[in-house]
Amino acid sequence: DAGVIQSPRHEVTEMGQEVTLRCKPISGHNSLFWYRQTMMRGLELLIYFNNNVPIDDSGMPEDRFSAKMPNASFSTLKIQPSEPRDSAVYFCASSAPDRGRFGQYFGPGTRLTVT
Amino acid sequence: QQQVKQSPQSLIVQKGGISIINCAYENTAFDYFPWYQQFPGKGPALLIAIRPDVSEKKEGRFTISFNKSAKQFSLHIMDSQPGDSATYFCAASSRTSGSRLTFGEGTQLTVNP
Repeated sequence: DAGVIQSPRHEVTEMGQEVTLRCKPISGHNSLFWYRQTMMRGLELLIYFNNNVPIDDSGMPEDRFSAKMPNASFSTLKIQPSEPRDSAVYFCASSAPDRGRFGQYFGPGTRLTVT
Repeated sequence: QQQVKQSPQSLIVQKGGISIINCAYENTAFDYFPWYQQFPGKGPALLIAIRPDVSEKKEGRFTISFNKSAKQFSLHIMDSQPGDSATYFCAASSRTSGSRLTFGEGTQLTVNP
């Protein structure tokens, strides 16, 4: 059974460019989470969806960040325009129905470098 | 009040020794405390978790000890192995926070052969 799939695995871009990160959750999972990991701030929840609906976006740092989940098998996290301080590893995670906080499965992450 | 404080930041243990990582929290509404293990280049993976109605949970070489009155919990790795070398995160959540997990800062564990 495939785990959470993220693409790209690495992204290098210049300041001011638009960046789109993609995630495919585990089949059958109905909750999807976007996290950001940095040395300074650790692992932070940016936003999570339940049944494709955004439930908690309080961790989204600013309006430059947006996330969508058009269907149960795909989500995107977009940064526009990107800044050097956005450099981090971005993880997508998913969980099964009624498992929410009890069992989150993380993808391999996307390492973003903004120069 | 939503923070979870984790220590130490890094830990070096000899093979066969006991690794101990500690976490403390303030929010008394937290009712679920998982530990995640992360290897380099990988995403975190759920290792073991505990609810506050028990003081200890053991799974193989991994044990969580929970002290509700002190608002502290810890991960003990018995007979530590080089393959246990990873970053460990404690986390906490409450029913009122939905599916949100609040993570500790992480502990980088190195087990020397």
